[in-house]
Amino acid sequence: DADVTQTPRNRITKTGKRIMLECSQTKGHDRMYWYRQDPGLGLRLIYYSFDVKDINKGEISDGYSVSRQAQAKFSLSLESAIPNQTALYFCATSGEGIGNEQFFGPGTRLTVL
Amino acid sequence: KQEVTQIPAALSVPEGENLVLNCSFTDSAIYNLQWFRQDPGKGLTSLLLIQSSQREQTSGRLNASLDKSSGRSTLYIAASQPGDSATYLCAVNGNNDMRFGAGTRLTVKP
Repeated sequence: DADVTQTPRNRITKTGKRIMLECSQTKGHDRMYWYRQDPGLGLRLIYYSFDVKDINKGEISDGYSVSRQAQAKFSLSLESAIPNQTALYFCATSGEGIGNEQFFGPGTRLTVL
Repeated sequence: KQEVTQIPAALSVPEGENLVLNCSFTDSAIYNLQWFRQDPGKGLTSLLLIQSSQREQTSGRLNASLDKSSGRSTLYIAASQPGDSATYLCAVNGNNDMRFGAGTRLTVKP
């Protein structure tokens, strides 16, 4: 079984709808991250969490919110989706301490019409 | 603000050739640099992680180097194979603010 799983894998939605992307991990890591990937731009950090009581904004947090329900679960919400949020979204985890390797989920392809 | 650049954006080589992918970054205050492989429609697979105190890391046919003072890293792939075709991303980790390059799309022709 995969260490980092994301659901759904693909989602098509309409402008204005609320969307939640979910991430679960079995690696026992405290740290979890959400990124988005756009063609030609690489990955950009949306939010990250160092433990269940710690949430931090990343480079591009506007229009997104997150919830850390448990050590193993970190969800990303789009409160009112817009077309320029169409992208590939990745969840990642890492162990405690600065400079630890990050492990990525398979990604969620989101299309906002 | 850390900026990460990967050159070239795309590379096509015949099978068996040795090749080098380049990654440059603007802020040398980093904790580590990580190279990833991404297959179409798939997630990222970690290839090599180089801590800031290290100069290189090797795994099989892959060798990654790091020159922190000049803001450069290279990924060397020996004896390339068609199965190496993928996009290769480098990511620089500075205090848990990981910045990615846009990637190099590699095609290895049989």
